[in-house]
Amino acid sequence: NAGVTQTPKFRILKIGQSMTLQCAQDMNHNYMYWYRQDPGMGLKLIYYSVGAGITDKGEVPNGYNVSRSTTEDFPLRLELAAPSQTSVYFCASSLDTEAFFGQGTRLTVV
Amino acid sequence: RKEVEQDPGPFNVPEGATVAFNCTYSNSASQSFFWYRQDCRKEPKLLMSVYSSGNEDGRFTAQLNRASQYISLLIRDSKLSDSATYLCVVNLLGNTGKLIFGQGTTLQVKP
Repeated sequence: NAGVTQTPKFRILKIGQSMTLQCAQDMNHNYMYWYRQDPGMGLKLIYYSVGAGITDKGEVPNGYNVSRSTTEDFPLRLELAAPSQTSVYFCASSLDTEAFFGQGTRLTVV
Repeated sequence: RKEVEQDPGPFNVPEGATVAFNCTYSNSASQSFFWYRQDCRKEPKLLMSVYSSGNEDGRFTAQLNRASQYISLLIRDSKLSDSATYLCVVNLLGNTGKLIFGQGTTLQVKP
């Protein structure tokens, strides 16, 4: 099993550009999550999903969108990148207790 | 009020010391509790789950106080390799499935 795979690992975006952060898991987990982590801070929940076709907002959803068309994939979309979205983004999945994380995507918006 | 609160530290302790971290949560409906460890620039990884009766894993002891809505982590005989950020995590299971992280507490163990 690959676990949770995130792509890309690094990205630099210009203000106003859009991009999709990819996340895939091969553990057949129902729950999937997107977090962002700013320097020296904890993880803030952006969006989460309890199963295919179901998504819900977390603590900081503004500026982001998600979809969950399959159990495996949970992409995160940034439509109009802003400098405030410079952060490390982590995707995670869980069955019911322990969450498994991808290695993160380091995004810089300039 | 934040859903999960931790003292960010840092906690600077000598090798062999005992150190304790606390975490408070605001939602009394929270069902599951965890401590995760995060090394610098890495993804968080599960350290241990926290059970109502308290649980121990080697040098690590976790406790839950539902009445006061706090969780604790005790590390005995600290090692240099324990230096990391420790994240308190609360899960609202069932229909919500929200997994909320605290800010994290940074531990630096010095020789």
